Amino acid sequence: GESVGLHLPTLSVQEGDNSIINCAYSNSASDYFIWYKQESGKGPQFIIDIRSNMDKRQGQRVTVLLNKTVKHLSLQIAATQPGDSAVYFCAEIVNSGGSNYKLTFGKGTLLTVNP
Amino acid sequence: NAGVTQTPKFQVLKTGQSMTLQCAQDMNHEYMSWYRQDPGMGLRLIHYSVGAGITDQGEVPNGYNVSRSTTEDFPLRLLSAAPSQTSVYFCASSQTSGGSSYEQYFGPGTRLTVT
Repeated sequence: GESVGLHLPTLSVQEGDNSIINCAYSNSASDYFIWYKQESGKGPQFIIDIRSNMDKRQGQRVTVLLNKTVKHLSLQIAATQPGDSAVYFCAEIVNSGGSNYKLTFGKGTLLTVNP
Repeated sequence: NAGVTQTPKFQVLKTGQSMTLQCAQDMNHEYMSWYRQDPGMGLRLIHYSVGAGITDQGEVPNGYNVSRSTTEDFPLRLLSAAPSQTSVYFCASSQTSGGSSYEQYFGPGTRLTVT
């Protein structure tokens, strides 16, 4: 999961296993959440999003779960593949009206998939 | 579409020098933003813009200026570079939310070193 400090949390899994990456967010007013994947040397890439009025959303091989009671978000990746190796960030969004919003990113989790 | 482009890819500056990081998008997105990413950290918002002629500060705006004269371009200016500004800089764009999606498209990044 997310943590403060200079060292990224890491998760190491075997190819084919399921991965669960956790994120704690801070702002109870956040109304939207996004998971991003960042491969080495590249910009973040959108994976999946979820609104605060939902508790679960599924995509292709990925599921995001939202627990607003404890302000916790998780990303589940099914049948993890070597190409899933990357840093994963959660981001929370607070919309202050109309098109005015800000993303706040967590510090990321490094996922390593072992063949 | 080229998506979001950033130039240069790499830059080395001496303390006190100024420069402009360029960002352009060809998706007609209204929302554009600049982030910096330091080792082991998530992305931190520097400045953002919800449309041409409108800019606002993010989490870490000090030492940076922006302007938005067109929908396509959102340059980031460092007025007097400091070693603390050594980082990787990402530009991102998204459609005006309209409550539908906050998905941001990121550029490939500019790696800046200030000596």
